[in-house]
Amino acid sequence: AQKITQTQPGMFVQEKEAVTLDCTYDTSDQSYGLFWYKQPSSGEMIFLIYQGSYDEQNATEGRYSLNFQKARKSANLVISASQLGDSAMYFCAMRSNNAGNMLTFGGGTRLMVKP
Amino acid sequence: GAVVSQHPSWVICKSGTSVKIECRSLDFQATTMFWYRQFPKQSLMLMATSNEGSKATYEQGVEKDKFLINHASLTLSTLTVTSAHPEDSSFYICSAHLNRGPNQPQHFGDGTRLSIL
Repeated sequence: AQKITQTQPGMFVQEKEAVTLDCTYDTSDQSYGLFWYKQPSSGEMIFLIYQGSYDEQNATEGRYSLNFQKARKSANLVISASQLGDSAMYFCAMRSNNAGNMLTFGGGTRLMVKP
Repeated sequence: GAVVSQHPSWVICKSGTSVKIECRSLDFQATTMFWYRQFPKQSLMLMATSNEGSKATYEQGVEKDKFLINHASLTLSTLTVTSAHPEDSSFYICSAHLNRGPNQPQHFGDGTRLSIL
């Protein structure tokens, strides 16, 4: 069974600063994928970034980067130069390649960007 | 642009009413779609996996007769909340996978807020 843990229920960050959202996972599978989604108050789920378990380099997508530490089973999301529009819920999710396309979600972190 | 369309976005109805929610994949075929439920300030909970042309796979604790899922075509899955009661009030959201490789994300609809009076 897979498990995703996000230990920060809420985070504040000053506008224009960087912030790291933590995510640890537990799986016995060797092949898996890790995803981060953003959920604004309107409810839609917005895909941000992906990291494969065999990827040697950390994923980056614009202001988003993923600090992937496989031995520690962590996949932290780093948002650089925070903007007010970054205020939202952030979910870390994992898909095991042995479990089809099903995603397991963490509990989420609410990020609030202060002006 | 959106790759998954979900309707309606908001439903308010009386207790005992059945409510149907549609999830459509746009410009791609989705043999598998997923239905999630989300309570306020909580994470997404997978309810069931919708399989085109076959029965849905329900997660433990989800009532099959309460939450009817139909995946009659490669682009449409529906979730029907039968005889809805106030405790069924929640945010329901569907997703689909593009089937273009393991690194492709699931794409989500915009969700449906269901309020049962």
